[in-house]
Amino acid sequence: EVQLQQSGAELGKPGTSVKLSCKVSGYNIRSTYMHWVNQRPGKGLEWIGRIDPANGNTIYAEKFKSKATLTADTSSNTAYMQLSQLKSDDTAIYFCAIDTMGLFDYWGQGVMVTVSS
Amino acid sequence: DVVLTQTPPTLSATIGQSVSISCRSSQSLLDSDGDTYLNWLLQRPGQSPQLLIYSVSNLESGVPNRFSGSGSETDFTLKISGVEAEDLGVYYCMQATHAPYTFGAGTKLELK
Repeated sequence: EVQLQQSGAELGKPGTSVKLSCKVSGYNIRSTYMHWVNQRPGKGLEWIGRIDPANGNTIYAEKFKSKATLTADTSSNTAYMQLSQLKSDDTAIYFCAIDTMGLFDYWGQGVMVTVSS
Repeated sequence: DVVLTQTPPTLSATIGQSVSISCRSSQSLLDSDGDTYLNWLLQRPGQSPQLLIYSVSNLESGVPNRFSGSGSETDFTLKISGVEAEDLGVYYCMQATHAPYTFGAGTKLELK
């Protein structure tokens, strides 16, 4: 069974960084893209970017190019997203998702990031 | 960026009723490889999104066949043939043909 286990909730101060993890079991991340999506409180879904763990290639949505950094460790089958220079509007739930048969067919449980001083 | 316009924003239905959700794209989602990367997802309250339909009309494994998807190029529809209580939540269309991938604003399905 494919499962994506995300790290726990984060509380970050403005101007600092947080690093989120997404550990995959039941599927080799070398065989997929890892996507990251956010959802601000009460709002819809927004694609942040994706990484190809096999070679480290990344694509970001324009607005996240200086905000998010995606990495992956194939030895532990885990992907990471670092969010830098946190601001209040970075407060959101962040999801990871992978493609197996279809695109975005497995999702992590989501992690709440709260930015507050 | 591709804009996906979903209608209606809210849908009230009774159990057993059939309903449809429309998703219109600001540009064709037909990829150069011949596939059309338009998915439908359901997000139940407090849960992660769940893939229902991929590539317009392919039912994700384990998804009941009362869900169906259709359409092409810029116009797509999700149909639920006989709403059940477990179907309540927010439905999103999303496209993965053009980067950045984008989502519709969502359609909330609630009980009448």
